[in-house]
Amino acid sequence: QLVLTQSPSASASLGASVKVTCTLSSGHSNYAIAWHQQQPEKGPRYLMKVNSDGSHTKGDGIPDRFSGSSSGAERYLTISSLQSEDEADYYCQTWGTGIVVFGGGTKLTVL
Amino acid sequence: EVQLLESGGGLVQPGGSLRLSCAASGFTFSNYAMSWVRQAPGKGLEWVSVIRDSGSSTYYADSVKGRFTISRDNSKNTLYLQMNSLRADDTAVYFCAKGGTHTYSWLDYWGQGTLVTVSS
Repeated sequence: QLVLTQSPSASASLGASVKVTCTLSSGHSNYAIAWHQQQPEKGPRYLMKVNSDGSHTKGDGIPDRFSGSSSGAERYLTISSLQSEDEADYYCQTWGTGIVVFGGGTKLTVL
Repeated sequence: EVQLLESGGGLVQPGGSLRLSCAASGFTFSNYAMSWVRQAPGKGLEWVSVIRDSGSSTYYADSVKGRFTISRDNSKNTLYLQMNSLRADDTAVYFCAKGGTHTYSWLDYWGQGTLVTVSS
């Protein structure tokens, strides 16, 4: 079964960096994923697609502070030079034939 | 500029029906798969349904299978979600989202959402 697992929360200080992790279920370590940001009271926003080789393709207007990487079944979103507006929920998403799957989301707090 | 504008949400009684629409612009609608995703109050994102570019294939989450129907009118650049036999646990903000390709893929644009409340 295709499942994405995320830690429920993360925190980091203003100006620092943070890495958010999404883990693919067993047998699916070669799947690409997408990262989405949802700021409070807003709709989601696509950030980037991350492939199994770590290459990533960002959405329109996404700052260079946001980057993606991979290691085995884990996919990462790294945000550097954290700003207050980065405080949001971050969701990973993957897909298969006729199915779309979301992780449970990681709530990022900027201290 | 890609724009997705949902409409049709509102308050409906349990067992009732509602049809959501999503008007798309800024891209060649007929070339991309489209999805509906919902978010219950205080919860995470839940995929609901996907339809391929041509409309030839549709898939549903188990939670809505047999009750919801996704469709599209490529001549009107509009995506639909017909929701029947609505239950309290269908209460959520419903988002339409554009797929990155003609088939099942990442979602690269989102609408602002429309609220569906199922309550007596």
